[in-house]
Amino acid sequence: DIQMTQSPSSLSASLGDSVTITCRTSQTISTYLNWYQQKPGEAPKLLIYATSSLQSGVPSRFRGSGSGTEFVLTISSLHPEDFATYYCQQSSTIPRSFGQGTMLDIK
Amino acid sequence: QEQLVQSGAEVKKPGASVKVSCKGSGYPFNSHDINWVRQAPGQGLEWLGWINPISGNTGHAQKLRGRVTLTRDTSMTTAYMELSRLRFDDTAVYYCVRESHWLDYWYFDLWGRGTLVTVSS
Repeated sequence: DIQMTQSPSSLSASLGDSVTITCRTSQTISTYLNWYQQKPGEAPKLLIYATSSLQSGVPSRFRGSGSGTEFVLTISSLHPEDFATYYCQQSSTIPRSFGQGTMLDIK
Repeated sequence: QEQLVQSGAEVKKPGASVKVSCKGSGYPFNSHDINWVRQAPGQGLEWLGWINPISGNTGHAQKLRGRVTLTRDTSMTTAYMELSRLRFDDTAVYYCVRESHWLDYWYFDLWGRGTLVTVSS
């Protein structure tokens, strides 16, 4: 099974800041990597699929990059609605697996 | 409007079983696998398994093998997840999720609102 490790586990930032979240996998997964955003009390929402493709309706300040075993989610110019928890997920193999999450809160 | 509508919250005793339903609408139900993901209180996301609506083929997380049963009723465009021999640590919100693809890239693009299953004596 593929293990996913996100860093940091939590992150504080201010409105307008740019932040990066890293996701590392225990095996190479090419670019089969997705990112989700979850707000308290809500289901997760797909942000980015195939490492760098933006889901319809997701603002362009979200950007994904990487390949192999290391991936990055970058959020530029933080808006109030961006403060949430972010998860990476691999779709290279079954079982699917998620990172443990990165909680982004307001400094 | 595409949606997955899940059944309501459940409270069960240890050792009992629970069956959660997930009705898809607004899209061709048979064209997408349904996956199940759970989230324990204050914890991250855990993938549980998948079912193909056409064939009924399934796959499960190793740790739940033998306790989880995934089924579907295509006439009702509904998928079901039954978890047996419930334990306290099965307390979680259970999500059904549609898996879509672009080329050979797969992703979870439509989520149900979740069903809270509480295991309590």
